[in-house]
Amino acid sequence: AQTVTQSQPEMSVQEAETVTLSCTYDTSESDYYLFWYKQPPSRQMILVIRQEAYKQQNATENRFSVNFQKAAKSFSLKISDSQLGDAAMYFCALSLTFGEGTQLTVNP
Amino acid sequence: NAGVMQNPRHLVRRRGQEARLRCSPMKGHSHVYWYRQLPEEGLKFMVYLQKENIIDESGMPKERFSAEFPKEGPSILRIQQVVRGDSAAYFCASSPSSVRGTEAFFGQGTRLTVV
Repeated sequence: AQTVTQSQPEMSVQEAETVTLSCTYDTSESDYYLFWYKQPPSRQMILVIRQEAYKQQNATENRFSVNFQKAAKSFSLKISDSQLGDAAMYFCALSLTFGEGTQLTVNP
Repeated sequence: NAGVMQNPRHLVRRRGQEARLRCSPMKGHSHVYWYRQLPEEGLKFMVYLQKENIIDESGMPKERFSAEFPKEGPSILRIQQVVRGDSAAYFCASSPSSVRGTEAFFGQGTRLTVV
């Protein structure tokens, strides 16, 4: 069975600062995909970034980047230059399995 | 191209009634996934369907819950004899192929309240 663990229920960051959200996972597969989704108060699930396990290069999307450590089964999300609009619940996902989420607060 | 459409957005049912949640996937998507999100919790996978077939229902409660994705029309998540513990947000997602390799696009969810 696959598992996804987000050990930080809540995180906060000052506007314009950088924050890293942690995610670890477990799977017996060698080829898989990892995702970070954002859920703002509107409850819409929005894909932030995707990583393919066979690619060693970390994915980046503008201010969002990941630190993918396949051997350690770690997939953290870094948000640079945090903006007020980044405030949301962030979910790490491995295929169909989601973590419990990290609530990110951005302080002005 | 319209996104994933879920309706109703809000549904109130009395204990013992039936709840039917509908999901129309994005055009061209033949894979549908249902998730349940309890208050202050993450998304729990329920079921994965492809047109007319249930691929994975490992997250679906064995009783009262059923799902279908007919050849024509939306996917339906059906909850019979609802209880208070069924109150949650139910999200549907779709993808053009297995989510293993592609992004799943989510609908805005149906918030079910059982009174």
